[in-house]
Amino acid sequence: EIVLTQSPGTLSLSPGERATLSCRASQSVSSNLLAWYQQKPGQAPRLLIYGASSRATGIPDRFSGSGSGTDFTLTISRLEPEDFAVYFCQQYGSSPLTFGGGTKVEIK
Amino acid sequence: QVQLQESGPGLVKPSETLSLTCAVSGYSISSEYYWGWIRQSPGKGLEWIGHIYHSGSTYYNPSLKSRLTISLDTSKNQFSLKLSSVTAADTAVYSCARGILTGYYLASYFDYWGQGTLVTVSS
Repeated sequence: EIVLTQSPGTLSLSPGERATLSCRASQSVSSNLLAWYQQKPGQAPRLLIYGASSRATGIPDRFSGSGSGTDFTLTISRLEPEDFAVYFCQQYGSSPLTFGGGTKVEIK
Repeated sequence: QVQLQESGPGLVKPSETLSLTCAVSGYSISSEYYWGWIRQSPGKGLEWIGHIYHSGSTYYNPSLKSRLTISLDTSKNQFSLKLSSVTAADTAVYSCARGILTGYYLASYFDYWGQGTLVTVSS
């Protein structure tokens, strides 16, 4: 099973700042099959990125994904007030599908 | 607009079977997608449970496979989860989701999710 470790656990930033979230895999993620989601309290997760770097439909271009192999990054170029949430990654390159523990982006 | 809504008992006794249903609106589950279940607990984070293809083929997390059944009811446009012999470790928020076909065996990420429903296992 591929274990995904996300860091940091919490990121304290101000609106307008850049957020860089890390997702590290215990082994290489096949074909870079990695997705990122955003979740706000009481809401369903929202798909942001798939295939490590492809934005899902309707996702603003301030969200970008990068990386390959075992190291992946989600970058939010300029934080908007609605971006403060929990973000988690998911690999779907091998069974079982697994998720990271999440990074909370909070207002500083 | 695709919407998914979970329903089922919020309290299940240890050793009994947890049963949940996901009603889908805005899209036919007979079409080309996976339909999956994911759970989230404080202790284990997010855990993929399994998913089912529109043809009825199932893909289960090996850690749950011996206790798990996922099925489709196309007449009601819904799919279901049954997890037997539950323990306190199965206490979690259970969510259903639509899985994207990627062309790779089993590989899927999820583009629409339900809100989730809390299931507590306790006597």
